[in-house]
Amino acid sequence: AQSVTQLGSHVSVSEGALVLLRCNYSSSVPPYLFWYVQYPNQGLQLLLKYTSAATLVKGINGFEAEFKKSETSFHLTKPSAHMSDAAEYFCAVSSAGGGNKLTFGTGTQLKVEL
Amino acid sequence: GAVVSQHPSWVICKSGTSVKIECRSLDFQATTMFWYRQFPKQSLMLMATSNEGSKATYEQGVEKDKFLINHASLTLSTLTVTSAHPEDSSFYICSLNRGAEAFFGQGTRLTVV
Repeated sequence: AQSVTQLGSHVSVSEGALVLLRCNYSSSVPPYLFWYVQYPNQGLQLLLKYTSAATLVKGINGFEAEFKKSETSFHLTKPSAHMSDAAEYFCAVSSAGGGNKLTFGTGTQLKVEL
Repeated sequence: GAVVSQHPSWVICKSGTSVKIECRSLDFQATTMFWYRQFPKQSLMLMATSNEGSKATYEQGVEKDKFLINHASLTLSTLTVTSAHPEDSSFYICSLNRGAEAFFGQGTRLTVV
């Protein structure tokens, strides 16, 4: 069984400030972890993924995430927020042995203010 | 990567009618596709796994007779919402996996009036 918990359904930051979106996972087998971004009425776009290689993963648009097994976390960060980063962000977990089914967190709405 | 095209992007239908949503893999042959449902301000919930040439696998609580899935070829899966009711109004998204990575369609906004 696998699950994802995203702390904070809404996060608000100022433009230029650090973005930190939290994700904790639970998995009975080594996980694959993903962060997706969704803009209104659109599908999901992959930001980055962890698939058992380097624990610090760099993605698109300046985002990165670090896999910490001891903390069962995969938090998403960006050093400097931009207005265009305002969107819904989903953390997801899957496992190779689970047919690659994705289990999503409840999402975090990121608001970027001037 | 993989390109996934979902059609239509939005549809409005009358209560009691059926609606078909198509999910096409444009550059990859997918033996498995996934269908998700997303209510406003909520996460994606997996509805079913579409298997090419065989029956779909439905998640617990999803009515297979209401949400008909057909995966007749390696590039096309369809989801038909039969006898739609207002409570079926939602955002439906398909995806496929290429390796460990999932690729999503643009989604279909279904509104049943």
